[in-house]
Amino acid sequence: EIVLTQSPGTLSLSPGERATLSCRASQSVSSSYLAWYQQKPGQAPRLLIYGASSRATGIPDRFSGSGSGTDFTLTISRLEPEDFAVYYCQQYSRSPSTFGGGTKVEIK
Amino acid sequence: EVQLLESGGGLVQPGGSLRLSCAASGSTFSSYAMSWVRQAPGKGLEWVSGISVGGSTYYADSVKGRFAISRDNSKNTLYLQMNSLRAEDTAVYYCAKAYDTLTAYLFDYWGQGTPVPVSS
Repeated sequence: EIVLTQSPGTLSLSPGERATLSCRASQSVSSSYLAWYQQKPGQAPRLLIYGASSRATGIPDRFSGSGSGTDFTLTISRLEPEDFAVYYCQQYSRSPSTFGGGTKVEIK
Repeated sequence: EVQLLESGGGLVQPGGSLRLSCAASGSTFSSYAMSWVRQAPGKGLEWVSGISVGGSTYYADSVKGRFAISRDNSKNTLYLQMNSLRAEDTAVYYCAKAYDTLTAYLFDYWGQGTPVPVSS
């Protein structure tokens, strides 16, 4: 199975700052089948990015994804108060689909 | 707008059984693959099981032989039969809808989750 490692575990930033989250895969993720989800406490995950760089419906353009192969990045250009949450990457190219351990973006 | 509503969770003893349901509305349920994803307390997400449009089923190794996924398209409902439950199955269980017909494990809609604590 493909193991996804996210870093850092926690990111402490202030509103307005730029957030850069990393996701590294143990094997190449074919067709860039890599997604990013946002999860807030007590809520279900929300799809942000799919295909490594395509924004899901209704997702603001301050969220962007990049990368290919084994290295992927989620960037939040300017943090809004509602962006403080946990972010998960997921590969859906090969069964079983797997998720990374998550990065918590917290208010500094 | 697609809505997914899980039910059936609750406290169960180790070795016990439980059946989860997920009622779907707002989309053509029969046209999409569906999955169950779980999240242990304070932990990350784990894909548990999936079912294709045609009814083919898939399982994580951790639940293979103990859990069974099924769907009733006439009722727009997804099920997860969980047997021989263990403490490590304790989690919130989410049902999730596939984004499109080509990507069975990309999830664009999720239910609110149903908690399943396994404890004596």
